Amino acid sequence: NAGVTQTPKFQVLKTGQSMTLQCAQDMNHEYMSWYRQDPGMGLRLIHYSVGAGITDQGEVPNGYNVSRSTTEDFPLRLLSAAPSQTSVYFCASSLRALSNQPQHFGDGTRLSIL
Amino acid sequence: DAKTTQPNSMESNEEEPVHLPCNHSTISGTDYIHWYRQLPSQGPEYVIHGLTSNVNNRMASLAIAEDRKSSTLILHRATLRDAAVYYCILRMIYNQGGKLIFGQGTELSVKP
Repeated sequence: NAGVTQTPKFQVLKTGQSMTLQCAQDMNHEYMSWYRQDPGMGLRLIHYSVGAGITDQGEVPNGYNVSRSTTEDFPLRLLSAAPSQTSVYFCASSLRALSNQPQHFGDGTRLSIL
Repeated sequence: DAKTTQPNSMESNEEEPVHLPCNHSTISGTDYIHWYRQLPSQGPEYVIHGLTSNVNNRMASLAIAEDRKSSTLILHRATLRDAAVYYCILRMIYNQGGKLIFGQGTELSVKP
């Protein structure tokens, strides 16, 4: 029972490089989302998706792109990495985008931008 | 979304009950109260949620005040593994995109 799987677990980039953080879930969840967590802070929503083909911006979307071509996968793309994007990134999913349903989180990707 | 207020930190002894408070005086009638916790170097983990009535599950109990302006997460017997940051979160019933708004949370330490 894999749940929410994030890859890679760690990554170091140079400023200006691009990369894609992968997120996959095997629970047939419609809702998926990406958060970032900076030291000593709570999580902030970057982008979310309520189903395949549908995405929307969260609280801090600048510098990130997402797409949702399948129910299972929700990749997060950094277009041109900046040191301010150094953070821990978490992917989450839930059956529906409803407020009475728990969300399941991955173990995170720790990203450093030099 | 309505805001929550939690103490920054709390201490507990192992095998004793722990009561984690949360104030949400601006809660609306359609807000669910959710609790998540985050163990060191891990993603947040769902603990429990409720609307009006007290709730129990295998992990914890949630006691909700009659006026719903506050709630308490109860861990019946703390273990060392319960040391984590606990987040109290309000979610509107017609929540935009299902988002969770995380505050600072309460850092719980458990002493042997």
